[in-house]
Amino acid sequence: AQKITQTQPGMFVQEKEAVTLDCTYDTSDQSYGLFWYKQPSSGEMIFLIYQGSYDEQNATEGRYSLNFQKARKSANLVISASQLGDSAMYFCAMRGFSYNTDKLIFGTGTRLQVFP
Amino acid sequence: EAQVTQNPRYLITVTGKKLTVTCSQNMNHEYMSWYRQDPGLGLRQIYYSMNVEVTDKGDVPEGYKVSRKEKRNFPLILESPSPNQTSLYFCASSLSLASNTGELFFGEGSRLTVL
Repeated sequence: AQKITQTQPGMFVQEKEAVTLDCTYDTSDQSYGLFWYKQPSSGEMIFLIYQGSYDEQNATEGRYSLNFQKARKSANLVISASQLGDSAMYFCAMRGFSYNTDKLIFGTGTRLQVFP
Repeated sequence: EAQVTQNPRYLITVTGKKLTVTCSQNMNHEYMSWYRQDPGLGLRQIYYSMNVEVTDKGDVPEGYKVSRKEKRNFPLILESPSPNQTSLYFCASSLSLASNTGELFFGEGSRLTVL
């Protein structure tokens, strides 16, 4: 069975500092993808970054990078130079693809607060 | 504009009164899915569909039905809603993982209250 674990219900970071949001996963699928989504207080889900299980390099998208450690089954999100607008809920997700299933599951989320 | 459209966005109903939340996407995506979001529980998958006429249960399918008669539409049906189905519901779609990163595109959410 697939599982995503986010152990940090809430995090605080000062503006311009970097912050790491933790995510661990468990799957028996050989091929899978890992995602991070941001949900601001307005409620929409915003895609941030993707890492494929066979990608050798860590994914980066602007100020976001994904620290992928396959052996440890972790996919932590690093936000550099935090901004006040980064205050939101962040969800880690995993999509496992096998012959006849294609489930995409989410963690319980981490609420990030950026203060001046 | 590429989008996933859900309706209604807000609904208050009573126990037992059948309702349907519609979802439509204009991106020709094979994959569509429904999630419910509850505080402290994140997003939980209700049902998903890998293509037309192909649907499968997610982690919390009890009390819900879906259908996928056309590629663009994936309605969520609550035959007899109960108060524990009060939640924020999201529809999402994507290309199949085999052809892309599989990024999900989300609708704006439907907030449902069952009294």
